[in-house]
Amino acid sequence: EPEVTQTPSHQVTQMGQEVILRCVPISNHLYFYWYRQILGQKVEFLVSFYNNEISEKSEIFDDQFSVERPDGSNFTLKIRSTKLEDSAMYFCASSAETSGYNEQFFGPGTRLTVL
Amino acid sequence: GNSVTQMEGPVTLSEEAFLTINCTYTATGYPSLFWYVQYPGEGLQLLLKATKADDKGSNKGFEATYRKETTSFHLEKGSVQVSDSAVYFCALVGAGGYQKVTFGTGTKLQVIP
Repeated sequence: EPEVTQTPSHQVTQMGQEVILRCVPISNHLYFYWYRQILGQKVEFLVSFYNNEISEKSEIFDDQFSVERPDGSNFTLKIRSTKLEDSAMYFCASSAETSGYNEQFFGPGTRLTVL
Repeated sequence: GNSVTQMEGPVTLSEEAFLTINCTYTATGYPSLFWYVQYPGEGLQLLLKATKADDKGSNKGFEATYRKETTSFHLEKGSVQVSDSAVYFCALVGAGGYQKVTFGTGTKLQVIP
């Protein structure tokens, strides 16, 4: 069964450093999303992406964040200058244009730890 | 905007007990409703879904019915197992397009032998 994959599974970085989280969505999917989950809290929407542009973003997704689909298969989330409060689990998700009920398929997540 | 409210946890049950986790939502129109499960140290897995009023989603012995009149989607299981210990998230996606998933706060379930 096709699945969303994410790399790395765990990323440790120093405050102020740039990180890039990578995702490979399911191959025929056209809608892509990033969510985050701070430890012990609920999953929060960050951004959605379609047709090579952002379609919606939350207030969390400020100028420090950016997304890109660099090569037709990968979907990346970049944090330019990480802060301690960016420590969280980051989930990528994708959905198909033909999905009649808006089901999003989630990857296993990348745990980001900012020291 | 859309929102999901689910019962606070943690919920501790003995094996073979009956489980109910309450979930209510606020949304315009007819959203799609979901329950996701997160096992310790793992990502989010879709447990079940319902896309229109009166639909019943079911999977692995879990069930939830989409109740438009009470805006609810309560999760139930007749006999829980230790392996069901996890965090359960109620969620919705708004009607009309490929919108974000709005999650509830999650309910941690612990099943003891």
